Amino acid sequence: EIVLTQSPGTLSLSPGERATLSCRASQTVSSTYLAWYQQKPGQPPRLLIYGTSTRATGIPDRFSGSGSGTDFSLTISRLEPDDFAVYYCQQYDRSPQTFGQGTKVEIK
Amino acid sequence: QVQLQESGPGLVKPSGTLSLTCTVSGDSITKNNWNWIRQPPGKKLEWIGYIFNSGSTNSNPSLKSRATLSFDTSKKQFSLKLTSVTAADTAIYYCARGTVAGVDHWGQGTLVTVSS
Repeated sequence: EIVLTQSPGTLSLSPGERATLSCRASQTVSSTYLAWYQQKPGQPPRLLIYGTSTRATGIPDRFSGSGSGTDFSLTISRLEPDDFAVYYCQQYDRSPQTFGQGTKVEIK
Repeated sequence: QVQLQESGPGLVKPSGTLSLTCTVSGDSITKNNWNWIRQPPGKKLEWIGYIFNSGSTNSNPSLKSRATLSFDTSKKQFSLKLTSVTAADTAIYYCARGTVAGVDHWGQGTLVTVSS
């Protein structure tokens, strides 16, 4: 199976700062099938980005995704208080679909 | 809008069978795939499997064929049965809609604890 490794494990930042999250795959993933999710405590994940760089419905443009092959990233241009959460990448290119272990973005 | 709701027992005995049902509203269910995804407390998400309304399924090999997915199109429900459960199967279980554009709608999740 494709293993997704996210880094860093925790990102401590202040509101207004830029966040860059990394997701590295153990094998090449088609950029069409790479997604990012946000999860807050006690809530299900929320789809942010699909197809590596396409924002899901209602997602603000401060969220952007990029990458190809085995290296992908999620950038939050200016952190707002609502953005402090855990972020997961997911590949659904090859079965079984897999998730990264998550990056927690916490308030510094 | 699309809504999904999990239902089922919150406590299952070791070696028993975990059974959950997901009821879908606001979607015709004829397209897309319908997923079960779980998350042990404090851990990452794990995909269990998906089913199409045709009955075609795909499951995670890590579960060693313990998972069975089924669909009741008349009730707009799909179900998960997981046999021979152990404490390692304790998790929040989510049902969710899968599309080519990612998993775009999720249920709120239901905690299932495996304990005697």
